[in-house]
Order: sequence, then structure tokens, then C-alpha cells
Amino acid sequence: NAGVMQNPRHLVRRRGQEARLRCSPMKGHSHVYWYRQLPEEGLKFMVYLQKENIIDESGMPKERFSAEFPKEGPSILRIQQVVRGDSAAYFCASSSRLSSYNSPLHFGNGTRLTVT
Amino acid sequence: ELKVEQNPLFLSMQEGKNYTIYCNYSTTSDRLYWYRQDPGKSLESLFVLLSNGAVKQEGRLMASLDTKARLSTLHITAAVHDLSATYFCAVDMEEYGNKLVFGAGTILRVKS
Repeated sequence: NAGVMQNPRHLVRRRGQEARLRCSPMKGHSHVYWYRQLPEEGLKFMVYLQKENIIDESGMPKERFSAEFPKEGPSILRIQQVVRGDSAAYFCASSSRLSSYNSPLHFGNGTRLTVT
Repeated sequence: ELKVEQNPLFLSMQEGKNYTIYCNYSTTSDRLYWYRQDPGKSLESLFVLLSNGAVKQEGRLMASLDTKARLSTLHITAAVHDLSATYFCAVDMEEYGNKLVFGAGTILRVKS
């Protein structure tokens, strides 16, 4: 049973370019969470999505960042006009509704974004 | 705003020694998680603590939760080199779960 799959593993972008990060949840999971980890810090919640719905985006920067989880296909975290401060590891996690209370979140391997 | 504080942030210890990592959080919660992260890797779940007084053990690691004191501990017994990693505690505040607030992490280095 494949875990949470993220790609690419590493992404290098120049300032001003767009970054698109993809996340395929575990099979049977319809809830996706994105977290960001800045160097030598803990993870910070960004956004929680269900299929075709954004449930909580309280951790998302107001500008340049967007997320979606379409009916078909992976969840996408999109960062427009990247700046150096966007350099971080972006982790995706998924859950099924029934398991979310007493099961830990299972994280993907992350996408490490470097902005040059 | 929920704050989660870990200490120490860095821990260097000799093999065979015992030590405890502390995790304090600022508001009421009864769900706390411990994760391990190796450099450049994802987070591996270690423990899920769901109630006051919960204690869980796996190998040389034991975690406990005191919800009244808003404190969790991760105790390391007879450390070995393979335990070297960064350890995070995370507190779950939301009723729907999984909106975790992480501590800054404790970097553990076990010296041979």
C-alpha cells in the first residue's frame, strides 16, 4: 500500500518563477494537509483540503500561494513569483475521516524547494 | 494562539546514558504526537498520546502525557547511536484533527 507520494523531491526555481508541488494521498484518503518546514524549524500548518474543497487555509500566506485538490488527480500547492524566503521543505499528509482522531498523520517525503 | 515549546533544542549524549526531552504547550489539548525526522527525510510517527496519564513505550523510547500540566516527555533509556535524529512533539488543537502545531524540534546526537 503506497504511502503519501510527493513530487518532485527537489525543485529549484529562480526568483519570480512559479513552483508547483504535487501530492497524491494514500489510497482511500480524501483529506490532504500541507505543511511547510523552514530550515531548522518545526513544521507549520498551511492548508487542509478535501476533494474539491478548501477546508482551512489559515496557515497560507495571503498572496502568491494557492492550493487545490481536484476530483481527479493529486493535490497541488502552487507558489507564484517565488522569492528566496519560500525556500523550504513542503510536506503533504493525508488521512481518512474515520482515522484522523487516534491515528497519527502520515507524511510524504516532502518537496525541497530552493529559490535562487 | 497555541504555542509548543521543546527543550532542550540540542542534546549531545553518550551511548548508554539516559535523558528526557520536554514538550510544553500553552492551551488545553488531549492529543499529542511525537515524531522523528532524519536529515533530509520525512517525519516518522513514534507515539500518539490521547489522554491524561498516557504512557507509551517502544524500545528505548518512552513518552508520557500530563494534560493538566500541559507537558509531555520523551525519555531515552541507554541511548544508542541509531537514535540520533531530530525529535518533534506536536499538539492537535482542532476538533477535526490533524491541524498540528509543532515544537521547534530537539536535535539529538548520540556519541559512541
